[in-house]
Amino acid sequence: RKEVEQDPGPFNVPEGATVAFNCTYSNSASQSFFWYRQDCRKEPKLLMSVYSSGNEDGRFTAQLNRASQYISLLIRDSKLSDSATYLCVVKGSKETSYDKVIFGPGTSLSVIP
Amino acid sequence: DGGITQSPKYLFRKEGQNVTLSCEQNLNHDAMYWYRQDPGQGLRLIYYSQIVNDFQKGDIAEGYSVSREKKESFPLTVTSAQKNPTAFYLCASSASGHLYEKLFFGSGTQLSVL
Repeated sequence: RKEVEQDPGPFNVPEGATVAFNCTYSNSASQSFFWYRQDCRKEPKLLMSVYSSGNEDGRFTAQLNRASQYISLLIRDSKLSDSATYLCVVKGSKETSYDKVIFGPGTSLSVIP
Repeated sequence: DGGITQSPKYLFRKEGQNVTLSCEQNLNHDAMYWYRQDPGQGLRLIYYSQIVNDFQKGDIAEGYSVSREKKESFPLTVTSAQKNPTAFYLCASSASGHLYEKLFFGSGTQLSVL
């Protein structure tokens, strides 16, 4: 089983739609979680960190369920500029290394006019 | 300006040749990383280093080697043992030991086999 798995995608949605991305991780001792966004052939950029209580940043909401080892990202009112690949990222554990950072395979989103 | 610099942007390798990708950061970060990305796929961890003179294998270390002689530098060598080296390589750094410290990325190196 891969350490981090995501919805295979691609997701094609109309402007204004709400879209949800799902991610699961295998190491129950993982310490911290993130969503990154990557545009084609560019370096990934941090979208948001994911905290235990859940957190929101404008149109973006991230949730963490440690018991189910599951992370989600919700995008409301999709914009054309949201088209990108969304990467779920899990950061190490005391057992492996606090600094080991693992990326999921990514889910591609295309927002259509 | 602080940042992380990768060079070259494009690199071509002949059969049986070793090539080295450069990664330099002036962010005073302890942790540095090398990832490989194949078309349509996510990033896979090759090696990472938490401190000078120490590094750990990631998930796909075979055919690669690294060194960490200076805090600001973490070069990656793609050896002849790596039979399928064509990919986009990304270097990153972060402050070590911080749970929610983000990764800073270089702009990547596209490696192709002639």
